[in-house]
Amino acid sequence: AQSVTQPDIHITVSEGASLELRCNYSYGATPYLFWYVQSPGQGLQLLLKYFSGDTLVQGIKGFEAEFKRSQSSFNLRKPSVHWSDAAEYFCAVVLFSGGYNKLIFGAGTRLAVHP
Amino acid sequence: DAGVIQSPRHEVTEMGQEVTLRCKPISGHNSLFWYRQTMMRGLELLIYFNNNVPIDDSGMPEDRFSAKMPNASFSTLKIQPSEPRDSAVYFCASSLGVAGGASTDTQYFGPGTRLTVL
Repeated sequence: AQSVTQPDIHITVSEGASLELRCNYSYGATPYLFWYVQSPGQGLQLLLKYFSGDTLVQGIKGFEAEFKRSQSSFNLRKPSVHWSDAAEYFCAVVLFSGGYNKLIFGAGTRLAVHP
Repeated sequence: DAGVIQSPRHEVTEMGQEVTLRCKPISGHNSLFWYRQTMMRGLELLIYFNNNVPIDDSGMPEDRFSAKMPNASFSTLKIQPSEPRDSAVYFCASSLGVAGGASTDTQYFGPGTRLTVL
């Protein structure tokens, strides 16, 4: 069955440091992949998505993600983290079932940023 | 655009009471989703509507939960009777959506309703 794994429950980085959040998926065909961010008390906001084509995807707020089929990964990166990036990050894969699609979310990674 | 609107933002009720959560999707969106978020289970899809018709309600926990979408601009999620284990944040999301087939539409989430059942 399709699934998404985010191995890191909690990550802490210093402001200005680089960031990589891991996401691994289980899917037979080419997956449709998303990264969402949830700030405290807020709903989820789309950061970026991958459907096909260039495996390096640029998103909002300076984030990017790279699709690596050989590793079944879609890791999220940012070269320099800002304090406002502290939030929870969710990776998701589209599951096609019964003639429609739905998102399957990972458990999330909570990011803390030290000044 | 105002985005997806949910009300109330917070709800505190006592066990056994009926709870109704409301959602107004983004105008023009054909698909609407209700999710529940808890620490233990993460984000779970409860039900999915397309063109106001429930397509998949396999995520609805039990008969105490029901959802309706009487028109394209309004949906409700009702819990009757409520139980403490229903305490969670409930999100509504909408997307342009297509009926059937493969859709890569982005889902836009509302701010959520935090439900506490005492």
